[in-house]
Amino acid sequence: DIQMTQSPSSLSASVGDRVTITCRTSQNIGFYLNWFQHKPGKAPNLLIYGAANLQSGVPSRFSGSGSGTDFTLTISSLQPEDFATYYCQQSYNTPRTFGQGTKVEIK
Amino acid sequence: EVQLVESGGGLVKPGGSLRLSCAASGFTFSNAWMNWVRQVPGKGLEWVGQIKRKTDGGTADYAAPVRGRFTISRDDAKNTLYLQMNSLKIEDTAVYYCTRRGGTGLMSYYHAMDVWGQGTTVTVSS
Repeated sequence: DIQMTQSPSSLSASVGDRVTITCRTSQNIGFYLNWFQHKPGKAPNLLIYGAANLQSGVPSRFSGSGSGTDFTLTISSLQPEDFATYYCQQSYNTPRTFGQGTKVEIK
Repeated sequence: EVQLVESGGGLVKPGGSLRLSCAASGFTFSNAWMNWVRQVPGKGLEWVGQIKRKTDGGTADYAAPVRGRFTISRDDAKNTLYLQMNSLKIEDTAVYYCTRRGGTGLMSYYHAMDVWGQGTTVTVSS
């Protein structure tokens, strides 16, 4: 199975801050990396697919980059509605493993 | 409106069985690969398994912790996805989500899960 290492596990940030979350995989997955946002009591929401493609309806302050084994999710200017937990997920093969999550909290 | 609605969750004793359903609407269900994903309380997301559309073979794949105990199936005539869960363990307690793999272009190519249901809660406890 492909192992996912996401960091940090949590962070505190202020509205307007630039936030970066990283995801490392245990083997080369090309661009088969997706990012999700999850708020308590809600369904997870797809943000980025194929490492860098913004899902329709997702604000442009979200962006993804990387390939191979190292990936990044960036929020250029954190907004109040962005406080949530973020997960990376590889879709290169099955089982389609998730990172352990990054909880973004208000500073 | 594209929608997935799960049902069938509840309280079950260890060793028991439960069948979850996921009703799909607003898209051509028979064309979609479908997944189940769960979240154990206080933990992260965990992929449970997927089922391909029939034109791609209709086969299912599972995560190791559920393989041999859970079965994913689909009824395209009813636009419904199922998760049959047998030999349930306490560690299967979770919110279970059904999800759709995006059906076109790059979203399909990268197996992006673009639509999620609201989840149904399964509690395994004596």
